Amino acid sequence: DIQMTQSPFSLSASVGDRVTITCRASQTLSKYLNWYQQKPGKAPKLLLYAASSLQSGVPSRFSGSGSGTDFSLTINSLQPEDFATYYCQQTYSSPPTFGHGTKVEIK
Amino acid sequence: EEQLVESGGGLVQPGGSLRLSCSASGFNFNSCEMHWVRQAPGKGLEWVSSIGGGAYTVYYADSVKGRFTISRDNAKDSLYLQMDSLRAEDTAVYFCARVPPWLGGVDALDLWGQGTEVTVSP
Repeated sequence: DIQMTQSPFSLSASVGDRVTITCRASQTLSKYLNWYQQKPGKAPKLLLYAASSLQSGVPSRFSGSGSGTDFSLTINSLQPEDFATYYCQQTYSSPPTFGHGTKVEIK
Repeated sequence: EEQLVESGGGLVQPGGSLRLSCSASGFNFNSCEMHWVRQAPGKGLEWVSSIGGGAYTVYYADSVKGRFTISRDNAKDSLYLQMDSLRAEDTAVYFCARVPPWLGGVDALDLWGQGTEVTVSP
């Protein structure tokens, strides 16, 4: 199985900050990497797919980059509603695997 | 409105069985690959199983293979997960989720249900 390693495990940031979360795969994924946001007690929400394609309805302050084994999610100008846990997911090979999550907390 | 609604969760003893259902509405269900993803209390997301639109292809996580069975009834716009020989470590919220055909084979999960809670305990 492909292992997904996210960093950091958690971070504290302020409204207006720029935040970057990274995701490293144990083998190449091409661009088969997706990002999700999850708030407590809620289902995950798809933010980006294919590494950098913004899902419909997701604010443009979210962006993704990377290919191969190294990927990143960037949130420009963090908003109050962005405090949540973020997961990467590879769909290059079965089983599709998730990273362990990165919790973004209010500083 | 596109929607997925899970049901069937509950408390079950170890070794018991449970059948989860996921009812879809507002979209062409039989065109979509469907997945089950679970989340143990305080933990991250774990993929469980998937099934193709025509139900010809199914996949399982090693942790549930041989115990869980995924199925679908396209006439009823419904997805199912039959869970047998349940263990304490199967305790989790179970989500159903959709892979839309228009994402070009990326297999991202763009629509999720609210989840149904399964607790395996004596």
